[in-house]
Amino acid sequence: RKEVEQDPGPFNVPEGATVAFNCTYSNSASQSFFWYRQDCRKEPKLLMSVYSSGNEDGRFTAQLNRASQYISLLIRDSKLSDSATYLCVVNTYNFGNEKLTFGTGTRLTIIP
Amino acid sequence: EPEVTQTPSHQVTQMGQEVILRCVPISNHLYFYWYRQILGQKVEFLVSFYNNEISEKSEIFDDQFSVERPDGSNFTLKIRSTKLEDSAMYFCASSEYRDGTDTQYFGPGTRLTVL
Repeated sequence: RKEVEQDPGPFNVPEGATVAFNCTYSNSASQSFFWYRQDCRKEPKLLMSVYSSGNEDGRFTAQLNRASQYISLLIRDSKLSDSATYLCVVNTYNFGNEKLTFGTGTRLTIIP
Repeated sequence: EPEVTQTPSHQVTQMGQEVILRCVPISNHLYFYWYRQILGQKVEFLVSFYNNEISEKSEIFDDQFSVERPDGSNFTLKIRSTKLEDSAMYFCASSEYRDGTDTQYFGPGTRLTVL
């Protein structure tokens, strides 16, 4: 089983639509969770952290279900500028060492 | 806003040559990382570094790779004898804390092409 698994897409959705991405992770010891955004040939940029209580940042809502080891991202009222690859990222912290484990990413294209 | 910087943006080298990729982490950050991304693939962890020593390294980070913080600002990744399969984007990242929750900030990357 992959450490972090995402549907690679592509997701092609019309502007203004709502789109949801899902992600599962295999290491139950993982401690923190993030969604990063990556534009073509650019660096990953933090979109938002993900908390068990769920969190919202404008049009973006993230949810974490630790029991199911499942993370989601919802984008409402999508805009052309949302076109990018969305990376599900898990941080595993163990005895002072930590590393980010990335999913393969889900590619999103917003269509005018 | 402070940011991680990397140089060069693109490095082309011949197979077997040594390359050094440079990074300047955010100034008050204490934890440093290198990741790589082969074209079309996911971002992969290479190594983490703290207090002038490696904290953790992946199986990718073999004897051909080394990291160094030669002064108070730079953080370098050296590949001793490059192979074709080392062609990738190499991202440096830094974080202020290491408690499992802190954000890692990524530099713009160096694209390494090995011919």
